[in-house]
Amino acid sequence: QKEVEQDPGPLSVPEGAIVSLNCTYSNSAFQYFMWYRQYSRKGPELLMYTYSSGNKEDGRFTAQVDKSSKYISLFIRDSQPSDSATYLCAMHPTGANSKLTFGKGITLSVRP
Amino acid sequence: EAGVAQSPRYKIIEKRQSVAFWCNPISGHATLYWYQQILGQGPKLLIQFQNNGVVDDSQLPKDRFSAERLKGVDSTLKIQPAKLEDSAVYLCASSTRTGGGETQYFGPGTRLLVL
Repeated sequence: QKEVEQDPGPLSVPEGAIVSLNCTYSNSAFQYFMWYRQYSRKGPELLMYTYSSGNKEDGRFTAQVDKSSKYISLFIRDSQPSDSATYLCAMHPTGANSKLTFGKGITLSVRP
Repeated sequence: EAGVAQSPRYKIIEKRQSVAFWCNPISGHATLYWYQQILGQGPKLLIQFQNNGVVDDSQLPKDRFSAERLKGVDSTLKIQPAKLEDSAVYLCASSTRTGGGETQYFGPGTRLLVL
């Protein structure tokens, strides 16, 4: 079993749809949970970050972490064509020099 | 603020040849990372530097890969000899510190194709 599993894609939705992206993990030591967005031929960029369990909202984006279920989600409201990208979940435990472990990513396409 | 710079952007080589990638992190960032991203997968950490010391190289294939960080700033990653399975995007990232949810800033990557 991989440490971080991400829903397979690709995912195609119409503009304005609500998108739900999910990851599960097996390492209970993970405390920091992130979502990175990666446009084609670019490096990943941090979109959202959450510490431990709970929700975090930033504009049209909401990140949720359920540590009891080892499950994290990213919701995108009112999706736009500019949201078309690959979304990577990533996480790491506390501690100096702790390594970031990524999911394999899901490619989202928002159709105008 | 300038981002993480990487060169070259693309490289095509034949198997058994050698190749080197260069990274210039964001000014003042003490931590530098090299990741390998194979098509359809998430980035995998190869090596992490704190200033010019290595703190994690557990996933670096040391028989063929080497990396150094000169004077705690720029870094080079070398593959010698390359194998077909080394075809991937090599991403460099930097951050101010580690261990506390800090943001890693990624460069655009170097796309390597080994024929």
